[in-house]
Amino acid sequence: EAQVTQNPRYLITVTGKKLTVTCSQNMNHEYMSWYRQDPGLGLRQIYYSMNVEVTDKGDVPEGYKVSRKEKRNFPLILESPSPNQTSLYFCASSPGQGATNEQFFGPGTRLTVL
Amino acid sequence: QQPVQSPQAVILREGEDAVINCSSSKALYSVHWYRQKHGEAPVFLMILLKGGEQKGHEKISASFNEKKQQSSLYLTASQLSYSGTYFCGTASNTGNQFYFGTGTSLTVIP
Repeated sequence: EAQVTQNPRYLITVTGKKLTVTCSQNMNHEYMSWYRQDPGLGLRQIYYSMNVEVTDKGDVPEGYKVSRKEKRNFPLILESPSPNQTSLYFCASSPGQGATNEQFFGPGTRLTVL
Repeated sequence: QQPVQSPQAVILREGEDAVINCSSSKALYSVHWYRQKHGEAPVFLMILLKGGEQKGHEKISASFNEKKQQSSLYLTASQLSYSGTYFCGTASNTGNQFYFGTGTSLTVIP
């Protein structure tokens, strides 16, 4: 089944404790992206990747890191999480350029930073 | 560059029609529409491309006015399953970065 998977689905952590949220897609998509969703603010792009080893900042990249060493995986790293990073996170992938193609979303990761 | 959506929320009875608007202060090269049900991930509805090409999956129509930098989503004869939050989205002029609107909550009641 074609899908985007994220792990973990739920995470409660404490300020400053490094964490990684994994994202994997099995559709051979070039474009992958991370979004955070907060009430009243919609979905905001954190980072995106056009292909392996090609990543760039989205609208709200502060406090996050990403890497794209393989086409299928695009992990999101929070080196020192803070409470303002409490949010619902979605990973998405898209064939070709993201702007002109449908994005497929993972199920989301709900992160709480205490 | 975040698109602005209106209305923020709408409540309909089954069978009624609704229009959701999306406007941008920047030039639009494509407009995407997604629907998100409570507790779920956004799901693709439609893409409208500059030049009039439309790509979509469901029986929901939309328009794209490039000059006015606006798009509208039309839901006709609404069903209970149409309930959810609708997001428009647009890409940067390079086609790489993506911006979602703030969303429109649609509730269809019997």
